[in-house]
Amino acid sequence: GAVVSQHPSWVICKSGTSVKIECRSLDFQATTMFWYRQFPKQSLMLMATSNEGSKATYEQGVEKDKFLINHASLTLSTLTVTSAHPEDSSFYICSARGPGTPLHFGNGTRLTVT
Amino acid sequence: AQKVTQAQTEISVVEKEDVTLDCVYETRDTTYYLFWYKQPPSGELVFLIRRNSFDEQNEISGRYSWNFQKSTSSFNFTITASQVVDSAVYFCALSEFNNDYKLSFGAGTTVTVRA
Repeated sequence: GAVVSQHPSWVICKSGTSVKIECRSLDFQATTMFWYRQFPKQSLMLMATSNEGSKATYEQGVEKDKFLINHASLTLSTLTVTSAHPEDSSFYICSARGPGTPLHFGNGTRLTVT
Repeated sequence: AQKVTQAQTEISVVEKEDVTLDCVYETRDTTYYLFWYKQPPSGELVFLIRRNSFDEQNEISGRYSWNFQKSTSSFNFTITASQVVDSAVYFCALSEFNNDYKLSFGAGTTVTVRA
């Protein structure tokens, strides 16, 4: 079964609103989580790396204020897309790892901003 | 900087045909990891293989096989006797040896297997 759960699987929101995506590790302590973005028919682009209890490290070109990442516990990281716009529509995937565990990916969240 | 190139955007084959997916990478690191992932239409990423850079032995797992050629910086993936269930997007990825969780992905190759 899935060891990393993402919620929701899909979400539609109106332009200007904020959307929160959750990434949970189900049976291990995720000390590090990664957030990726995937445009249709394109590759996964790493957005940020988050370590539990510390600020996320964002990749170049990713707006920190637009994509808020919180990793407050060892089993949960959240990505909040603030003031979403249609160009933020994408597939967002998280991955998680813990001490001695392999990297696991979530099932992804498809965000559509209308 | 690390870079992964998957030159084939789409491949279409008839069931039972073999299909080879090319992957070429660039890195300044002397040691690193290479990966292949499968992404079916449902979206999740399915781990297929991880290979470290100092192990050039080819690997076979069922109908899957991988050919790692460090001299040409290539890590190609072959599906033998393809099946409809193999239809998916396949990604090649690269990571630093000391940080094998931070992956750089190629653009992906969409494989369509027709019955």
